[in-house]
Amino acid sequence: AQSVTQLGSHVSVSEGALVLLRCNYSSSVPPYLFWYVQYPNQGLQLLLKYTSAATLVKGINGFEAEFKKSETSFHLTKPSAHMSDAAEYFCAVTSYSGGGADGLTFGKGTHLIIQP
Amino acid sequence: NAGVTQTPKFRILKIGQSMTLQCAQDMNHNYMYWYRQDPGMGLKLIYYSVGAGITDKGEVPNGYNVSRSTTEDFPLRLELAAPSQTSVYFCATQNAGGGNQPQHFGDGTRLSIL
Repeated sequence: AQSVTQLGSHVSVSEGALVLLRCNYSSSVPPYLFWYVQYPNQGLQLLLKYTSAATLVKGINGFEAEFKKSETSFHLTKPSAHMSDAAEYFCAVTSYSGGGADGLTFGKGTHLIIQP
Repeated sequence: NAGVTQTPKFRILKIGQSMTLQCAQDMNHNYMYWYRQDPGMGLKLIYYSVGAGITDKGEVPNGYNVSRSTTEDFPLRLELAAPSQTSVYFCATQNAGGGNQPQHFGDGTRLSIL
Protein backbone atom coordinates (compact mmCIF):
# COMPACT_ATOMS: atom_id res chain seq x y z
CA ALA A 1 0.00 0.00 0.00
CA GLN A 2 1.17 3.52 -0.68
CA SER A 3 0.00 6.97 0.33
CA VAL A 4 0.89 10.61 -0.11
CA THR A 5 0.52 13.46 2.37
CA GLN A 6 0.71 17.06 1.25
CA LEU A 7 1.10 19.42 4.17
CA GLY A 8 -1.00 22.54 3.73
CA SER A 9 -4.08 22.68 1.54
CA HIS A 10 -3.28 26.34 0.78
CA VAL A 11 0.10 28.05 0.59
CA SER A 12 0.43 31.78 0.04
CA VAL A 13 3.69 33.49 -0.97
CA SER A 14 4.62 36.89 -2.31
CA GLU A 15 5.73 37.31 -5.89
CA GLY A 16 9.49 36.79 -6.02
CA ALA A 17 9.59 34.76 -2.80
CA LEU A 18 10.62 31.13 -2.36
CA VAL A 19 7.97 28.53 -3.05
CA LEU A 20 8.04 25.37 -0.90
CA LEU A 21 5.32 22.74 -1.25
CA ARG A 22 5.66 19.72 0.99
CA CYS A 23 5.07 16.09 0.07
CA ASN A 24 5.67 12.98 2.18
CA TYR A 25 5.03 9.50 0.89
CA SER A 26 4.60 6.04 2.24
CA SER A 27 5.49 3.06 0.10
CA SER A 28 6.50 -0.52 0.85
CA VAL A 29 8.70 -0.63 -2.24
CA PRO A 30 10.99 1.95 -3.85
CA PRO A 31 8.71 4.58 -5.31
CA TYR A 32 8.38 6.64 -8.42
CA LEU A 33 7.27 10.15 -7.47
CA PHE A 34 5.65 12.87 -9.52
CA TRP A 35 4.54 16.46 -9.18
CA TYR A 36 1.67 17.64 -11.34
CA VAL A 37 0.18 21.13 -11.74
CA GLN A 38 -3.44 21.90 -12.50
CA TYR A 39 -4.58 25.28 -13.77
CA PRO A 40 -8.27 26.23 -13.46
CA ASN A 41 -10.59 24.14 -15.63
CA GLN A 42 -7.74 22.13 -17.07
CA GLY A 43 -6.27 18.68 -16.69
CA LEU A 44 -3.05 17.85 -14.88
CA GLN A 45 0.34 18.60 -16.41
CA LEU A 46 3.57 16.92 -15.39
CA LEU A 47 6.04 19.22 -13.61
CA LEU A 48 8.72 16.67 -12.81
CA LYS A 49 9.32 13.08 -11.80
CA TYR A 50 11.72 11.08 -9.64
CA THR A 51 12.73 7.71 -11.02
CA SER A 52 15.87 6.93 -8.96
CA ALA A 53 18.37 8.34 -11.45
CA ALA A 54 19.10 11.45 -9.36
CA THR A 55 17.78 12.69 -6.03
CA LEU A 56 17.51 16.33 -7.18
CA VAL A 57 15.09 16.59 -10.05
CA LYS A 58 14.58 19.65 -12.21
CA GLY A 59 11.28 20.26 -13.92
CA ILE A 60 9.53 22.80 -16.06
CA ASN A 61 8.90 26.44 -15.19
CA GLY A 62 11.89 26.61 -12.82
CA PHE A 63 10.58 24.06 -10.32
CA GLU A 64 12.71 21.36 -8.73
CA ALA A 65 12.25 18.68 -6.09
CA GLU A 66 14.59 16.65 -3.91
CA PHE A 67 14.00 13.02 -3.02
CA LYS A 68 15.02 12.26 0.57
CA LYS A 69 14.62 8.60 1.38
CA SER A 70 15.45 9.02 5.08
CA GLU A 71 12.65 11.56 5.44
CA THR A 72 10.32 9.90 2.89
CA SER A 73 9.88 13.33 1.36
CA PHE A 74 9.75 14.85 -2.10
CA HIS A 75 9.25 18.57 -1.52
CA LEU A 76 8.74 20.94 -4.46
CA THR A 77 10.59 24.27 -4.58
CA LYS A 78 11.02 27.28 -6.80
CA PRO A 79 13.45 30.09 -5.89
CA SER A 80 11.27 32.98 -7.06
CA ALA A 81 7.49 32.82 -7.41
CA HIS A 82 5.74 34.29 -10.41
CA MET A 83 2.09 35.24 -10.68
CA SER A 84 1.65 32.56 -13.34
CA ASP A 85 2.57 29.88 -10.76
CA ALA A 86 -0.81 30.25 -9.06
CA ALA A 87 -2.43 26.82 -9.46
CA GLU A 88 -3.19 23.54 -7.71
CA TYR A 89 -0.21 21.21 -7.21
CA PHE A 90 -0.44 17.48 -6.70
CA CYS A 91 2.18 15.05 -5.51
CA ALA A 92 1.69 11.44 -6.64
CA VAL A 93 3.37 8.09 -6.12
CA THR A 94 3.45 4.78 -7.88
CA SER A 95 5.75 1.79 -7.79
CA TYR A 96 7.30 -0.48 -10.33
CA SER A 97 5.52 -3.50 -8.92
CA GLY A 98 2.94 -4.69 -11.41
CA GLY A 99 4.81 -3.03 -14.23
CA GLY A 100 3.75 0.40 -13.10
CA ALA A 101 0.30 -0.08 -14.61
CA ASP A 102 -1.87 0.17 -11.54
CA GLY A 103 -2.23 3.91 -11.43
CA LEU A 104 -1.07 6.82 -9.33
CA THR A 105 -1.88 7.54 -5.71
CA PHE A 106 -2.36 11.28 -5.29
CA GLY A 107 -2.09 13.64 -2.39
CA LYS A 108 -5.01 15.94 -1.69
CA GLY A 109 -3.33 18.85 -3.41
CA THR A 110 -1.95 22.24 -2.40
CA HIS A 111 -3.43 25.44 -3.75
CA LEU A 112 -0.62 27.93 -4.36
CA ILE A 113 -1.58 31.59 -4.04
CA ILE A 114 0.78 34.28 -5.26
CA GLN A 115 0.39 37.71 -3.71
CA PRO A 116 1.55 40.74 -5.73
CA ASN B 1 -1.67 17.03 -31.30
CA ALA B 2 -5.00 16.02 -29.74
CA GLY B 3 -3.49 13.82 -26.99
CA VAL B 4 -6.33 12.78 -24.66
CA THR B 5 -9.81 14.01 -25.59
CA GLN B 6 -12.72 13.85 -23.18
CA THR B 7 -16.34 14.48 -24.09
CA PRO B 8 -18.56 16.05 -22.98
CA LYS B 9 -16.85 18.84 -21.02
CA PHE B 10 -19.91 19.54 -18.88
CA ARG B 11 -23.08 17.61 -18.13
CA ILE B 12 -26.00 17.81 -15.74
CA LEU B 13 -27.87 14.60 -14.99
CA LYS B 14 -30.92 13.78 -12.98
CA ILE B 15 -30.76 11.11 -10.29
CA GLY B 16 -31.22 7.66 -11.82
CA GLN B 17 -30.23 8.66 -15.34
CA SER B 18 -27.35 6.98 -17.12
CA MET B 19 -24.60 8.32 -19.30
CA THR B 20 -21.25 7.48 -20.85
CA LEU B 21 -18.18 9.65 -20.50
CA GLN B 22 -15.98 9.33 -23.53
CA CYS B 23 -12.20 9.23 -23.61
CA ALA B 24 -10.14 8.95 -26.78
CA GLN B 25 -6.37 9.06 -27.22
CA ASP B 26 -4.10 9.27 -30.23
CA MET B 27 -0.78 8.56 -28.47
CA ASN B 28 -0.96 4.77 -28.90
CA HIS B 29 -0.55 4.26 -25.15
CA ASN B 30 -1.54 0.87 -23.82
CA TYR B 31 -2.50 1.99 -20.33
CA MET B 32 -5.58 4.11 -19.68
CA TYR B 33 -7.16 5.34 -16.45
CA TRP B 34 -10.25 7.01 -15.08
CA TYR B 35 -9.99 9.22 -12.00
CA ARG B 36 -12.49 11.35 -10.18
CA GLN B 37 -11.53 14.60 -8.48
CA ASP B 38 -13.48 15.96 -5.56
CA PRO B 39 -12.64 19.28 -3.85
CA GLY B 40 -9.86 18.90 -1.32
CA MET B 41 -9.58 15.16 -1.92
CA GLY B 42 -7.09 14.83 -4.76
CA LEU B 43 -7.75 12.28 -7.49
CA LYS B 44 -9.07 8.79 -6.87
CA LEU B 45 -8.66 5.92 -9.34
CA ILE B 46 -11.95 4.44 -10.56
CA TYR B 47 -10.89 1.92 -13.23
CA TYR B 48 -7.90 1.24 -15.39
CA SER B 49 -6.94 -0.80 -18.43
CA VAL B 50 -3.60 -2.17 -19.60
CA GLY B 51 -4.83 -2.93 -23.10
CA ALA B 52 -7.80 -3.71 -25.29
CA GLY B 53 -10.08 -6.22 -23.63
CA ILE B 54 -8.48 -5.87 -20.18
CA THR B 55 -9.88 -3.74 -17.38
CA ASP B 56 -9.47 -3.68 -13.62
CA LYS B 57 -10.97 -1.90 -10.63
CA GLY B 58 -9.28 0.96 -8.89
CA GLU B 59 -9.94 2.43 -5.47
CA VAL B 60 -13.52 3.68 -6.04
CA PRO B 61 -15.22 1.53 -8.74
CA ASN B 62 -18.73 1.24 -7.27
CA GLY B 63 -21.43 2.71 -9.50
CA TYR B 64 -19.25 2.70 -12.62
CA ASN B 65 -18.43 0.39 -15.49
CA VAL B 66 -15.83 0.50 -18.24
CA SER B 67 -14.96 -1.29 -21.43
CA ARG B 68 -11.90 -1.25 -23.68
CA SER B 69 -12.55 -2.59 -27.14
CA THR B 70 -9.79 -0.59 -28.85
CA THR B 71 -6.47 0.91 -27.85
CA GLU B 72 -7.83 4.41 -28.54
CA ASP B 73 -11.06 4.47 -26.55
CA PHE B 74 -11.89 3.92 -22.88
CA PRO B 75 -15.47 4.95 -22.05
CA LEU B 76 -16.78 5.21 -18.49
CA ARG B 77 -20.41 4.31 -17.87
CA LEU B 78 -22.66 5.53 -15.06
CA GLU B 79 -25.75 3.33 -14.96
CA LEU B 80 -27.84 4.91 -12.19
CA ALA B 81 -26.56 8.36 -11.44
CA ALA B 82 -26.43 9.35 -7.76
CA PRO B 83 -25.62 12.74 -6.16
CA SER B 84 -22.42 11.22 -4.73
CA GLN B 85 -21.14 10.90 -8.30
CA THR B 86 -21.09 14.66 -8.78
CA SER B 87 -17.42 15.23 -9.54
CA VAL B 88 -14.85 16.10 -12.15
CA TYR B 89 -13.73 13.05 -14.10
CA PHE B 90 -10.33 12.76 -15.70
CA CYS B 91 -9.08 10.24 -18.20
CA ALA B 92 -5.34 9.60 -18.43
CA THR B 93 -3.01 7.50 -20.52
CA GLN B 94 0.45 6.08 -19.91
CA ASN B 95 3.07 4.43 -22.02
CA ALA B 96 3.67 0.81 -21.10
CA GLY B 97 7.35 1.39 -20.32
CA GLY B 98 6.94 0.98 -16.55
CA GLY B 99 6.00 2.98 -13.47
CA ASN B 100 8.44 5.74 -14.29
CA GLN B 101 6.33 6.76 -17.26
CA PRO B 102 4.23 9.88 -16.64
CA GLN B 103 0.51 9.95 -17.17
CA HIS B 104 -1.11 12.30 -19.69
CA PHE B 105 -4.45 13.78 -18.74
CA GLY B 106 -7.46 15.06 -20.62
CA ASP B 107 -9.16 18.31 -19.64
CA GLY B 108 -11.88 16.56 -17.68
CA THR B 109 -15.66 16.16 -17.67
CA ARG B 110 -17.53 18.18 -15.06
CA LEU B 111 -20.59 16.20 -14.02
CA SER B 112 -23.40 17.39 -11.76
CA ILE B 113 -26.19 15.09 -10.61
CA LEU B 114 -29.29 16.75 -9.25
